[in-house]
Amino acid sequence: DAGVTQSPTHLIKTRGQQVTLRCSPKSGHDTVSWYQQALGQGPQFIFQYYEEEERQRGNFPDRFSGHQFPNYSSELNVNALLLGDSALYLCASSLVNDNEQFFGPGTRLTVL
Amino acid sequence: DQQVKQNSPSLSVQEGRISILNCDYTNSMFDYFLWYKKYPAEGPTFLISISSIKDKNEDGRFTVFLNKSAKHLSLHIVPSQPGDSAVYFCAANRQGGKLIFGQGTELSVKP
Repeated sequence: DAGVTQSPTHLIKTRGQQVTLRCSPKSGHDTVSWYQQALGQGPQFIFQYYEEEERQRGNFPDRFSGHQFPNYSSELNVNALLLGDSALYLCASSLVNDNEQFFGPGTRLTVL
Repeated sequence: DQQVKQNSPSLSVQEGRISILNCDYTNSMFDYFLWYKKYPAEGPTFLISISSIKDKNEDGRFTVFLNKSAKHLSLHIVPSQPGDSAVYFCAANRQGGKLIFGQGTELSVKP
């Protein structure tokens, strides 16, 4: 039973570029949440998707957008990258309205 | 506005002794609390959780205590093992929504 998977593992981009990160939820889960973790901080909530709709959004600018597909997998897109977007991006999956979320290994994004 | 706080950035404990990690929260609307363990370059691993209607939950060596009146929770690890060395995050949410995390406490268990 595969857990949450994310790709790619690492990514290096330059300022102004765009990036797409991908996530496949744990088998049986229908809800995907995305978090950003800066060095030395706890993860910060970006948004949550359920039934292909954004269900809840954190305090992130519109440069951050997402999508959920019919198979429950999800993408996180970040446009016009800034140096401050360098972080570990974590995907978590759960059942809708279930409190326990299970995390993938993350994608390390470096913006130069 | 830091709704979940872990005031100790680090904790060092001798192998075999008890580790106590603390967490405070401000939002009384939270109805579920979780602890995650994180190794470098990995995602957080779910450890143990507690509903706001309970005051204690135990799973093997791990016990979480919730004091709602003080808006405080703690994670006890007994006995501590070197493999427990990691960063521990407490998190809170409401009705399955976004998780709000503390800043983390780095636990070091020395042989």
